Amino acid sequence: DAGVTQSPTHLIKTRGQQVTLRCSPKSGHDTVSWYQQALGQGPQFIFQYYEEEERQRGNFPDRFSGHQFPNYSSELNVNALLLGDSALYLCASSLTGGAETGEQYFGPGTRLTVT
Amino acid sequence: QKEVEQDPGPLSVPEGAIVSLNCTYSNSAFQYFMWYRQYSRKGPELLMYTYSSGNKEDGRFTAQVDKSSKYISLFIRDSQPSDSATYLCAMTSIGSNDYKLSFGAGTTVTVRA
Repeated sequence: DAGVTQSPTHLIKTRGQQVTLRCSPKSGHDTVSWYQQALGQGPQFIFQYYEEEERQRGNFPDRFSGHQFPNYSSELNVNALLLGDSALYLCASSLTGGAETGEQYFGPGTRLTVT
Repeated sequence: QKEVEQDPGPLSVPEGAIVSLNCTYSNSAFQYFMWYRQYSRKGPELLMYTYSSGNKEDGRFTAQVDKSSKYISLFIRDSQPSDSATYLCAMTSIGSNDYKLSFGAGTTVTVRA
């Protein structure tokens, strides 16, 4: 049973550049959430995608955008990168519907460094 | 005030000791509570999941939820060096169109052999 996968593992970008991170959810899951985790902090919610639409958004600027594809995989895009965007970006998958329980399963993360 | 507060640690205990981890929260709508374990530079791994108040046991791990006090705990019995990690509490409400997980900042635990 494949878990949540993310790519790439590490990424180094320069201020002002744009980045795209990718996520494939756990088999059988249809919902993808993205979180940003700064060093020494808990993950902060960016947004959640369900049925190819953004269902909920956290307190992040419009520079952060996303997409969900028909196969439930998802992308996170960040434009005009700032030094403060350096963090571990986590993708989490879950199941929406009658069996929704709030459980989310995380991938290994993409470590983004902005220089 | 943060929505979820977690005892900051760090904690250092000898092998075999009981580890006690705690979080408090302010949002009374939370009804699903989780504990995640995160090894250095890895993604969080779901350890325990509890709905509403009560206790749940899974092997050496026990999760407790007291909604009246807005307080949750995780106990690790017979701790092992492999339990050394950062533990994150997380919670969500789901029913009120709020699907996100709200996390504590994490407690780093070191179990000394």
